[in-house]
Amino acid sequence: SQTIHQWPATLVQPVGSPLSLECTVEGTSNPNLYWYRQAAGRGLQLLFYSVGIGQISSEVPQNLSASRPQDRQFILSSKKLLLSDSGFYLCAWSLLAGGSGTDTQYFGPGTRLTVL
Amino acid sequence: GQSLEQPSEVTAVEGAIVQINCTYQTSGFYGLSWYQQHDGGAPTFLSYNALDGLEETGRFSSFLSRSDSYGYLLLQELQMKDSASYFCAGGGDDKIIFGKGTRLHILP
Repeated sequence: SQTIHQWPATLVQPVGSPLSLECTVEGTSNPNLYWYRQAAGRGLQLLFYSVGIGQISSEVPQNLSASRPQDRQFILSSKKLLLSDSGFYLCAWSLLAGGSGTDTQYFGPGTRLTVL
Repeated sequence: GQSLEQPSEVTAVEGAIVQINCTYQTSGFYGLSWYQQHDGGAPTFLSYNALDGLEETGRFSSFLSRSDSYGYLLLQELQMKDSASYFCAGGGDDKIIFGKGTRLHILP
């Protein structure tokens, strides 16, 4: 069965510090991978998605970046965090199996980031 | 553009039936999905409608009408544990778009 891991679960960082969040998927090959951010009580904002190693699409211009160094690894980074970067960061995967395959996403447990 | 609209909040009584509506405008639309998210947790997949009509999974049912760009999630025999946020999502190609979510409050 497939599982998705994210770490850390919670993180408190000062403004201006760097960030690295990691997500890994087990039990599937060549998944689509996604990073979302959710502000408190709000919807899901798609930040980045990737259909393959080294292929990253950015949805929102900001001070964040993403990388996919391996098939089942997705990393979200920042060189200098802003207060507005606080939120709940969720990684998700879906199967690349035609159009309908992208419509079921499986989420990791999330990382709650607080920038002070 | 791409957007999905759903009510921000819905309130219902334990044991009753509630319907959460979703209207959408998405390009390359393949189907409509529903996700549940409890406070502090990650969203979990509930259902997916690729074709028009009703899909039933236990106490939950989901409906899609492509001609009306409309769908809904129906929850029956509501239980307190169903208190959560519910998101509709749609799209195609490589990504899907989520609605802003409907917070379901259940009264005893």
